[in-house]
Amino acid sequence: ERVMTQSPVTLSVSPGERATLSCRASQSVGTNLAWYQQKPGQTPRLLIYSASTRATGIPDRFSGRGSGTEFTLTISSLQSEDFAVYYCQQYNNWPLTFGGGTKVEIK
Amino acid sequence: QVQLVESGGGVVQPGTSLRLSCVASGFTFHSYALYWVRQAPGKGLEWVAVISYDGGIKYYADSVEGRFTISRDNSKNTLYLQMNSLRPDDTAMYYCARDQRDYSYGYPLPYWGQGTLVTVSS
Repeated sequence: ERVMTQSPVTLSVSPGERATLSCRASQSVGTNLAWYQQKPGQTPRLLIYSASTRATGIPDRFSGRGSGTEFTLTISSLQSEDFAVYYCQQYNNWPLTFGGGTKVEIK
Repeated sequence: QVQLVESGGGVVQPGTSLRLSCVASGFTFHSYALYWVRQAPGKGLEWVAVISYDGGIKYYADSVEGRFTISRDNSKNTLYLQMNSLRPDDTAMYYCARDQRDYSYGYPLPYWGQGTLVTVSS
């Protein structure tokens, strides 16, 4: 099983600032890595797939990069609607596995 | 637009059974793999099971293997999750989700339902 480890657990950022979230896989997942955003009381929303491709309708302030075991999600200038929990997920191997999440909160 | 609507959750005692349903609309149901993903209260996401577009392939998380069964009825546009021998650690919001690609499986999940809450408690 690929264990996905996200850091930090909580990230405090001021609106307008840049946020960088990390995701590490226990073994290589190639670029089969997705990022999801989840706001309180809402369902997960796909942001990024194939490590760096934005999903339909996702603003370009969201960007992803990485391959193998190290991945990052960057939000270039945080908007109020971006404060949420972010999960990475690998789909290279079964079982599909998610990271534990990073909560981006207002500083 | 794609819609996934789950139902069937509730409060049940340990050791009992429950069947969840997910009715889909807005896409060609029989062309897509479907998933169950759960989220315990205040916790992260956990993949539970997947079924291929034709029902021929099914995979399960180790935590539910042998207790849960995923199935689909393509004539009713409905996905199911039969949950037996329920345990307190099965307590979670259960989401159904659709694969990104048709006639395939194991890809990202761009569409999710609103979830149905299962609580296992004595």
